[in-house]
Amino acid sequence: GAVVSQHPSWVICKSGTSVKIECRSLDFQATTMFWYRQFPKQSLMLMATSNEGSKATYEQGVEKDKFLINHASLTLSTLTVTSAHPEDSSFYICSVRGGTGTEAFFGQGTRLTVV
Amino acid sequence: LAKTTQPISMDSYEGQEVNITCSHNNIATNDYITWYQQFPSQGPRFIIQGYKTKVTNEVASLFIPADRKSSTLSLPRVSLSDTAVYYCLVGGNTGGFKTIFGAGTRLFVKA
Repeated sequence: GAVVSQHPSWVICKSGTSVKIECRSLDFQATTMFWYRQFPKQSLMLMATSNEGSKATYEQGVEKDKFLINHASLTLSTLTVTSAHPEDSSFYICSVRGGTGTEAFFGQGTRLTVV
Repeated sequence: LAKTTQPISMDSYEGQEVNITCSHNNIATNDYITWYQQFPSQGPRFIIQGYKTKVTNEVASLFIPADRKSSTLSLPRVSLSDTAVYYCLVGGNTGGFKTIFGAGTRLFVKA
């Protein structure tokens, strides 16, 4: 299956600053990547679909100006949390779909803490 | 996308077989059934996928009845390290390949 790597694994930032999270598909060219967030004891919530070379598609209720997504190449998508606030503290996970199957492969996640 | 219903939590003991059932009454004809495992502070990990009947791999079996309105993930002889959240997902080539998660089942394996 696809190998997906996120960086950083964890980050602490001050309120009002912006944080960039990278998602790399190491062995698979992904035209589409997905970004999720997960709060403690809750399930994953899909935030947006990242499309290579075009604008991301955001799920209802997700602010596109707050969560900037860039998918400039077939192996890299980035999520930038702009003007972060403590309520943005969460676990952010990216994924890609496999080439032939319909299963998804996930990165290890990024723990964001805004202080 | 088909909605799924799973038990919120299950307890088991080491060495036992664990069966987690998922209901998906409005599964579409081209939908697959996929199960994922997630440990705390990690991304989900693919376990098994099936379309109908039975599928088995090195870690689990997936039983799907003929009407496909439910499925059962079977974990043989669980160990403490199988304590995790297990998600049942239903979907296929619709919805732009989006993977939508339900609440999942929190399995706790005791010694």
